[in-house]
Amino acid sequence: AQSVTQLGSHVSVSEGALVLLRCNYSSSVPPYLFWYVQYPNQGLQLLLKYTSAATLVKGINGFEAEFKKSETSFHLTKPSAHMSDAAEYFCAVSDRDAGNNRKLIWGLGTSLAVNP
Amino acid sequence: DAGITQSPRHKVTETGTPVTLRCHQTENHRYMYWYRQDPGHGLRLIHYSYGVKDTDKGEVSDGYSVSRSKTEDFLLTLESATSSQTSVYFCAIRQWDYGYTFGSGTRLTVV
Repeated sequence: AQSVTQLGSHVSVSEGALVLLRCNYSSSVPPYLFWYVQYPNQGLQLLLKYTSAATLVKGINGFEAEFKKSETSFHLTKPSAHMSDAAEYFCAVSDRDAGNNRKLIWGLGTSLAVNP
Repeated sequence: DAGITQSPRHKVTETGTPVTLRCHQTENHRYMYWYRQDPGHGLRLIHYSYGVKDTDKGEVSDGYSVSRSKTEDFLLTLESATSSQTSVYFCAIRQWDYGYTFGSGTRLTVV
């Protein structure tokens, strides 16, 4: 079974600084990979996804992520943090269960704080 | 985006009472999921459905049951609510590219 590890449950950056949120997955086959964002008291919304096309994926709000097969990583970056980026970020990988049904395997999330 | 609504948005209930949460979608997606979200645990899958009357257990299914009698509705029932089931519950539907769209959540408090 696949698994997802998000390194750092809490990340703090200054406004205008680079945002780097780390995600590593375990997979023996090319995966589908996703980043979701959750703002306080809201549901999760899709930031970006990798589905075996270009390895550098651009998402909403200036975020992007690069799929690196050799490192089994899918790190999320943004060149310049904004106060509105403060949120919880989740990495997920698509896997199949014993019944061959696809479902997402989730990381535990990284809470991003942006300091003025 | 697919329309997905959860009801109620907030509920307070007493220990031992049954509770049903509803998830409704408007775009005929086959796969639907129920998660609970708790601090330090991320998202944990309770049950999911891959069609009408086709459901399966997730990693934290004890104390929960589900039903899907029509494509658009996926119900989560807590048979006898306990304080450990105080949580935020999210419903999700699976899109064609295997990503999910989430509802806004139900905040359940069991007292």
